[in-house]
Amino acid sequence: TQLLEQSPQFLSIQEGENLTVYCNSSSVFSSLQWYRQEPGEGPVLLVTVVTGGEVKKLKRLTFQFGDARKDSSLHITAAQPGDTGLYLCAGVNLGGGADGLTFGKGTHLIIQP
Amino acid sequence: EAQVTQNPRYLITVTGKKLTVTCSQNMNHEYMSWYRQDPGLGLRQIYYSMNVEVTDKGDVPEGYKVSRKEKRNFPLILESPSPNQTSLYFCASSLSSGTYEQYFGPGTRLTVT
Repeated sequence: TQLLEQSPQFLSIQEGENLTVYCNSSSVFSSLQWYRQEPGEGPVLLVTVVTGGEVKKLKRLTFQFGDARKDSSLHITAAQPGDTGLYLCAGVNLGGGADGLTFGKGTHLIIQP
Repeated sequence: EAQVTQNPRYLITVTGKKLTVTCSQNMNHEYMSWYRQDPGLGLRQIYYSMNVEVTDKGDVPEGYKVSRKEKRNFPLILESPSPNQTSLYFCASSLSSGTYEQYFGPGTRLTVT
């Protein structure tokens, strides 16, 4: 069973600060997805990274896939209260298939005004 | 609007009383799945379906049943609910296999007393 560990589990910072959350595994993934879940709602896909070393930007959010495709990071610049939520990474297992998605347990992020 | 709908959103029931949580998607997606989300355990897959009449067990299928008689609907059935099935449940769909972008429903919070 492939595992994805996310760190930190909880993070509370002030508006305007920068932060990075991590998604790590000892397994190689063919691609990796990042979701954000707000209270009372289902997760929403933010981005998929596919190539080792790939960097994708979504406004103030920067996603990077590790060179070896075993890990990923999410960096938020000048965090805003609207960034508050649970951030989940999900690795697409090599070989894919119907059960080929492994979720991390998530990082709970709170941005205080 | 492309969406996954779930009903009910909230349900309190008693041990042993059969219940069904409905899930419907309007995107003509082939793949659908059910997850439960528990504190400290993250998202865990219960069952998934590759297409009509094709279903398979996920990581935590015990105590649950599913059916896929129509492409758009994927109900989750608890024949004899127990307190350890108290959880937040999400239905999700994607264009094809589970490795593609997942569209999640808004969730169903179930309490079994």
